[in-house]
Amino acid sequence: GAGVSQSPSNKVTEKGKDVELRCDPISGHTALYWYRQSLGQGLEFLIYFQGNSAPDKSGLPSDRFSAERTGGSVSTLTIQRTQQEDSAVYLCASSLVTRVSRHSPLHFGNGTRLTVT
Amino acid sequence: AQKITQTQPGMFVQEKEAVTLDCTYDTSDQSYGLFWYKQPSSGEMIFLIYQGSYDEQNATEGRYSLNFQKARKSANLVISASQLGDSAMYFCAMRGAGNNRKLIWGLGTSLAVNP
Repeated sequence: GAGVSQSPSNKVTEKGKDVELRCDPISGHTALYWYRQSLGQGLEFLIYFQGNSAPDKSGLPSDRFSAERTGGSVSTLTIQRTQQEDSAVYLCASSLVTRVSRHSPLHFGNGTRLTVT
Repeated sequence: AQKITQTQPGMFVQEKEAVTLDCTYDTSDQSYGLFWYKQPSSGEMIFLIYQGSYDEQNATEGRYSLNFQKARKSANLVISASQLGDSAMYFCAMRGAGNNRKLIWGLGTSLAVNP
């Protein structure tokens, strides 16, 4: 079956512009995560969606970042007024259930590489 | 605070040999899970292996095994019979008891397999 799909794979934008990153999780996966990976760094948690519950936004670095998940499936991460420090790879992941484990690990997309010039 | 430490920024191994990638963790939770992921140059994070804190045996998945030493809080990944396709970044991550959602990630180890 299809894995997690992210688009675009690469995005170059000018400082101050808004960008939208899309994630299409694996069908049937109830949990969806956004992570950010900067060069030489581990993964930084951004936001988490689980079913109809309120999202966990505790990882969003500023109010310029927002995300939504429509119909419990596709998610969009929006960065407003982009800054150069926003340049990173943005990874989306989904899991079958909330509690990640051997039977329900995170499945990642290939990421969107964002470059802010 | 929970933390994952991967002390080897880069590793080299000869094809067909075994290699161990180190991971130590810090947590006060009694129940936790440890994951290893592989990230090739394509960028996708690929799940390799999982070890639960209450698992009595070390996890194994094909050529991957996890050397779990609970008292030392280490969860090293062992790759046997290395292949050229094993060249990638490898990340260790932990799920705590109180937070099932946010995995804590190490900074990764870059593995290069030489022919």
